Formats: sequence, C-alpha cells, structure tokens
Amino acid sequence: GENVEQHPSTLSVQEGDSAVIKCTYSDSASNYFPWYKQELGKRPQLIIDIRSNVGEKKDQRIAVTLNKTAKHFSLHITETQPEDSAVYFCAASLGAEGGGNKLTFGTGTQLKVEL
Amino acid sequence: NAGVTQTPKFRVLKTGQSMTLLCAQDMNHEYMYWYRQDPGMGLRLIHYSVGEGTTAKGEVPDGYNVSRLKKQNFLLGLESAAPSQTSVYFCASRVWGEQYFGPGTRLTVT
Repeated sequence: GENVEQHPSTLSVQEGDSAVIKCTYSDSASNYFPWYKQELGKRPQLIIDIRSNVGEKKDQRIAVTLNKTAKHFSLHITETQPEDSAVYFCAASLGAEGGGNKLTFGTGTQLKVEL
Repeated sequence: NAGVTQTPKFRVLKTGQSMTLLCAQDMNHEYMYWYRQDPGMGLRLIHYSVGEGTTAKGEVPDGYNVSRLKKQNFLLGLESAAPSQTSVYFCASRVWGEQYFGPGTRLTVT
C-alpha cells in the first residue's frame, strides 16, 4: 500500500519568515495530495490540495508543489503569522474524483511561529 | 447543517469493557472513515465505508468492528477494550476529494 513520509517533525520559524514542509509518497499511481491543518484540540481541516495533473497551486500565503517524477510534494507558507502555529499533515490517495479511496497520512509537522 | 458529529466526546473504559462510538453526517456523503490519532503517528485508518451497508478494513483494523446500516451513520465498536486502544478517534466523511472530520472522541482505557 501507499506510504507517506513527512519532514520535518517539528519546525520553528520567526514571524514573517517562510516555512516549508516536505512529503514523499511511494505509490506512483497516487493522484491526489491534500494538506490538513490541525490546531491544538481541534479537528483536522483541509487547507489546500493538488491533483497530479498540476505542478503547483497557490492560495494567498499558502502554496503546494508536486514533483511526480520524484514522488514528492511540499507545502510552502510565506509571511508566517502566529495563527499559522499548528500541526500540518500531508496525505496521498488514489482516485480523488469520487471513489471511496482512502487517504494515507504523513506523521505530521508541528509548526511553531515565534514572535 | 451540523456537518460531521461524534458521540461521545470523552470516555474512560476499563480493560475488557465494550463501547460504540457514533459518527453522524448530514451532508449526504457516500464515504465515511474512522481514524485513530496517536502522538507522533499521524492519522491511521481503522475502517471505512463506501456506501450504506458496506465496510472495509483500513490500516489498523484489529480489535475494532464497524457498521453502516444508514447512510448518515457510521458506528465504531470496541468489543473488549485494551490499553493500546487509548487514543483520539476521528470520523470523517467525503464526497469529492475533501474529507470533513468530526470533532473527535478522546478514549482512555485503564
């Protein structure tokens, strides 16, 4: 089955700096890659996703890049703010377009934005 | 529109006791999932369902059973709880792409 590795496990940045979280996946057939943010004591919530026919997607201060050849994808957060502090999870799955296909999650990155 | 809800929010069990966690969604989603979340291990899939009356095993199904008798409900059962099942349990539902998570159930087995 799919295996997703995520690095780093913890990341500390100064407010206003950029943060980058990287994930690799094992199954070359995976075609959907979402990122979830989980604040302390809360549920995970989708912040951005990318499909395999796209190399990059951006939404305000958040961007995701995908390299299918190398089987890795990354989350980029620019101009970080204290409210960006949370745990971020990457995930991969087959068949985003409907289908019951399951997400395989990375182990998470604890991002801390320091003032 | 409540989205995905879970009952109960907290529970303490003794080893060997049984319980059922209820997940309900009002978005008419076909697909539903049960995950457990443990420190440093991310979200691991226990069981999932692709529609009413269907269930399938995920990554860590041992010690759990599920049922999906109604489209809007997905039940997770622990027949004989063990301390290793102490965790936070999240339910999720999905139609296209995005999974919507419930608020979680914190279960402690002593």
